[in-house]
Amino acid sequence: KQEVTQIPAALSVPEGENLVLNCSFTDSAIYNLQWFRQDPGKGLTSLLLIQSSQREQTSGRLNASLDKSSGRSTLYIAASQPGDSATYLCAVTGGNKLVFGAGTILRVKS
Amino acid sequence: SAVISQKPSRDICQRGTSLTIQCQVDSQVTMMFWYRQQPGQSLTLIATANQGSEATYESGFVIDKFPISRPNLTFSTLTVSNMSPEDSSIYLCSVGDTYTEAFFGQGTRLTVV
Repeated sequence: KQEVTQIPAALSVPEGENLVLNCSFTDSAIYNLQWFRQDPGKGLTSLLLIQSSQREQTSGRLNASLDKSSGRSTLYIAASQPGDSATYLCAVTGGNKLVFGAGTILRVKS
Repeated sequence: SAVISQKPSRDICQRGTSLTIQCQVDSQVTMMFWYRQQPGQSLTLIATANQGSEATYESGFVIDKFPISRPNLTFSTLTVSNMSPEDSSIYLCSVGDTYTEAFFGQGTRLTVV
């Protein structure tokens, strides 16, 4: 059974810092990995999708990497801003299902 | 990308009643998914809704409690039946298959009192 773990559970940083969020998964037989952002009480916004054959994806200040063989992904956020404050979730696809991690709660202080 | 409209965005319901949540997609999709997010928890898949067939439920979820309809390729409903306070959660619908990006509705925040 696929299990997804995210570290740290919570992170508080001053504005402008670069930061890394970690995601690990137990079964490397995945089709893709996706990072989402969730604001309190809201739905999920897709940030980046990495196919299993890819190593990384970039969008603006965000960069996500995937090491499928070791079961790890990182989300790098450059020059963090208060507007980046949210919960960040990673999810892997196996079969037709998404399996989610518990998320990292990020707070960027101004 | 897909745009998903979910209604209602939030509701407060009496225990013992039922609530039906609607999910409308701006394009035709094969599979739609319903998730539950309990307070402080991550997302758990309730069921997969395919047009023209019965929904497929995950372990721990049953049709009597969470009946799902999928009348066409752009619409689905999830009903939370005979509600109790333990059903207080955010319910989300999603589209996307194995190889493509998943998109989510804005969620329905349900409080049962």
